[in-house]
Order: sequence, then structure tokens, then C-alpha cells
Amino acid sequence: KNEVEQSPQNLTAQEGEFITINCSYSVGISALHWLQQHPGGGIVSLFMLSSGKKKHGRLIATINIQEKHSSLHITASHPRDSAVYICAVIPYMDSNYQLIWGAGTKLIIKP
Amino acid sequence: NAGVTQTPKFQVLKTGQSMTLQCAQDMNHEYMSWYRQDPGMGLRLIHYSVGAGITDQGEVPNGYNVSRSTTEDFPLRLLSAAPSQTSVYFCASNPAGGAYEQYFGPGTRLTVT
Repeated sequence: KNEVEQSPQNLTAQEGEFITINCSYSVGISALHWLQQHPGGGIVSLFMLSSGKKKHGRLIATINIQEKHSSLHITASHPRDSAVYICAVIPYMDSNYQLIWGAGTKLIIKP
Repeated sequence: NAGVTQTPKFQVLKTGQSMTLQCAQDMNHEYMSWYRQDPGMGLRLIHYSVGAGITDQGEVPNGYNVSRSTTEDFPLRLLSAAPSQTSVYFCASNPAGGAYEQYFGPGTRLTVT
């Protein structure tokens, strides 16, 4: 079983819809990252969080440490949000702080 | 700042050839890593470095070598390319580990025939 599971693997939605991408993990963590990989391949960091909620523009990330679960929400989705969204966690006891990566969720927003 | 740069962007090798993928960052980051990305799989760590002169193996190190003689540069060497090494390779850096924002290079798409 993978230590970091993302769902769904693929998501297609219409422009304007509210999007939720989920990340569940099985290890104790100190923090969790959400990243975005554009169709051209570049990977950019969106959020790092260890508790509660963070918001940046139309993107909201939440985490529930007790339930070992995080969600990434996109409000008023737009075709430019089409990308692969990747979750990665920092295991609590890893002294080198190496990340464990989810396989990603491919999101397509249709106009 | 240029951020994290990688060269080349694309490369085709024949089985058995060797090559070096270049990675450089200008943010004075201590941590640098090499990942490979294959369809349907998450990023897999090949090698990483926590500072100049210090490197260590990740999850999939076989067939690859690294060195870190300066803070800025972290080249990845393929010793004898195999078709199983066909992948997209990403170099990443961050100030001091996973608890910091991760910065990625644009990637190198490698095909081994």
C-alpha cells in the first residue's frame, strides 16, 4: 500500500465548478506540501501546511492531522487550472526531511 | 534569480552510453535532489545532497552517480544507460529540507533506445 494516496486519479470538470482533490497518508508527518505540475512539465509549490487551512487566491488547502488527510480545493475553476496536482508529506521521524510523494491527480477543466 | 536550471531539456541515448544531466541553483540552497518521474507514479528520489561534499542515496539510486563539489551545482551521471532509465528527470532544491518550499527545475526528458 502506498504511504501517500491521492484521489481521484483523474478529474474532469466544467469551468466554474468547485474542485476537491484529496490526499491521505499512513505515516506520522510534520508537514504536507501541495504542488502543481503544468502541462508543460514545470512543478511549482502551492502550499506547505502542518495544521488548519491556508488560502491563496482561489486555492484553499486544509489538513486534518488526526485523520491523516488533506484536501486541496479550487473555487470558480478555470481552464488554466488544468494541471496535475501533487501531494507530498514529510515523515515525522525523517532526520533528512525527505518527502514521500503521491502519484498526482490530473485535473482537466473544460470551458 | 534564475532559480533551478537543468540542461539538456531533451536527450536521446543509446543503450550503454553515458551522460551527465546538469543542475544548478542560484538561491544558495543547501538541499538538492534528483527525482525521476514515470507515468502513473509519484516522483521517486534518486540521490540527494544536504550540502557541498555530502551526498546520499534515495529510493532508486542504481545506475546513477552524483557529486556536489559546490553549493550551486549537482550533476547526475548515468553510467551506462538502459531503456529502464527512460524517464523525465527533475532537479530540486530547498533551503534546508522538506519543511521548506521546494523549487524545481524544468526537467529533462531522457529516452534510451
